[in-house]
Amino acid sequence: KQEVTQIPAALSVPEGENLVLNCSFTDSAIYNLQWFRQDPGKGLTSLLLIQSSQREQTSGRLNASLDKSSGRSTLYIAASQPGDSATYLCAVYQGGSEKLVFGKGMKLTVNP
Amino acid sequence: EAGVAQSPRYKIIEKRQSVAFWCNPISGHATLYWYQQILGQGPKLLIQFQNNGVVDDSQLPKDRFSAERLKGVDSTLKIQPAKLEDSAVYLCASSLGDGIEMGELFFGEGSRLTVL
Repeated sequence: KQEVTQIPAALSVPEGENLVLNCSFTDSAIYNLQWFRQDPGKGLTSLLLIQSSQREQTSGRLNASLDKSSGRSTLYIAASQPGDSATYLCAVYQGGSEKLVFGKGMKLTVNP
Repeated sequence: EAGVAQSPRYKIIEKRQSVAFWCNPISGHATLYWYQQILGQGPKLLIQFQNNGVVDDSQLPKDRFSAERLKGVDSTLKIQPAKLEDSAVYLCASSLGDGIEMGELFFGEGSRLTVL
């Protein structure tokens, strides 16, 4: 059974820091991995989608990498801003079971 | 492009009452998902439709939850009777396809249910 883990559960940093958010998964048979952002009381917004054949994806200040063999992905946020404060979730689309399995998320607070 | 629409945004009911949530996915998206998100947890898939057929409902508590997708577009999720542990946010999402052709997943704002 696929398990997705995000550690730590929460992180508080001062504005301007470069951040690395971690995601690990137990079964490497995945189609893709997605990073989402969730603001309080809102739905999830897709940030980056990495197909299983890709190593990384970039969008603005965000860069996500995927190492399927080791079951890891990282989301890199450059020059963090207070507006980046949110919960970040990663999810893997599991081959075979055809399911998207989510981690519990990491709550990020960027202090001005 | 319009996003995934959900209603109502908030609902408070007594236990043993019934409730229904509605979702309109992004136009042209064949796959529709209902997720349950309990506070502090990641979303858990309840049911997945491909057009108007059910792909996966293995985690749907079928004794009290039901869902349908009429004509492969809108969908309704119903809970009857509700229990206290059903208090959660119910998220609807859609994607162009599924499996290896899923692409990005787009979520609605969610429907927050409180069962008293």
